[in-house]
Amino acid sequence: GIQVEQSPPDLILQEGANSTLRCNFSDSVNNLQWFHQNPWGQLINLFYIPSGTKQNGRLSATTVATERYSLLYISSSQTTDSGVYFCAVDTGRRALTFGSGTRLQVQP
Amino acid sequence: NAGVTQTPKFRILKIGQSMTLQCTQDMNHNYMYWYRQDPGMGLKLIYYSVGAGITDKGEVPNGYNVSRSTTEDFPLRLELAAPSQTSVYFCASRGANKETQYFGPGTRLLVL
Repeated sequence: GIQVEQSPPDLILQEGANSTLRCNFSDSVNNLQWFHQNPWGQLINLFYIPSGTKQNGRLSATTVATERYSLLYISSSQTTDSGVYFCAVDTGRRALTFGSGTRLQVQP
Repeated sequence: NAGVTQTPKFRILKIGQSMTLQCTQDMNHNYMYWYRQDPGMGLKLIYYSVGAGITDKGEVPNGYNVSRSTTEDFPLRLELAAPSQTSVYFCASRGANKETQYFGPGTRLLVL
């Protein structure tokens, strides 16, 4: 099956810093989503982005489907950004295959 | 809309017991999914359904059963609970024309 690799696995930032999270996938995908899992375990949709670039406030994402990777940018990080960020791809049966996540800790 | 709701939020089972995790969505979505998340890991697909009366296995179906008698409900049944089924279970749904999957709040299950 498709492999989804995220890097870095762990990231510690000071409040106000910027960061880039990466997601590599091993095959063509129909769908790619980014999620934030907050410290209470809730999964929050960030982006549906099979290709191109999208922005939502301090967050933006870019997917280069031909090169099989996606990037999530977090600017001016806040403590509320802490949690785990997951990349997930749809391999064609409309279900998602998840990466192992990037655990982000933003310190005040 | 309440979105995707799951009950219970937390449950402790003894080895060999059975239980049903409930999932309901009020968005009239055709596609519904069950995932499990083990500590420190991403989510893995257990079962999914493309519509009422149609279900199929995902990556880790052993020890679980599902049914889909209505569009709204997609219960997950655990028979003969084992410690390896200790996990957080997420239900999700997706519409036919919208690609975003929406997730419920999760059910935390502990099997002792």
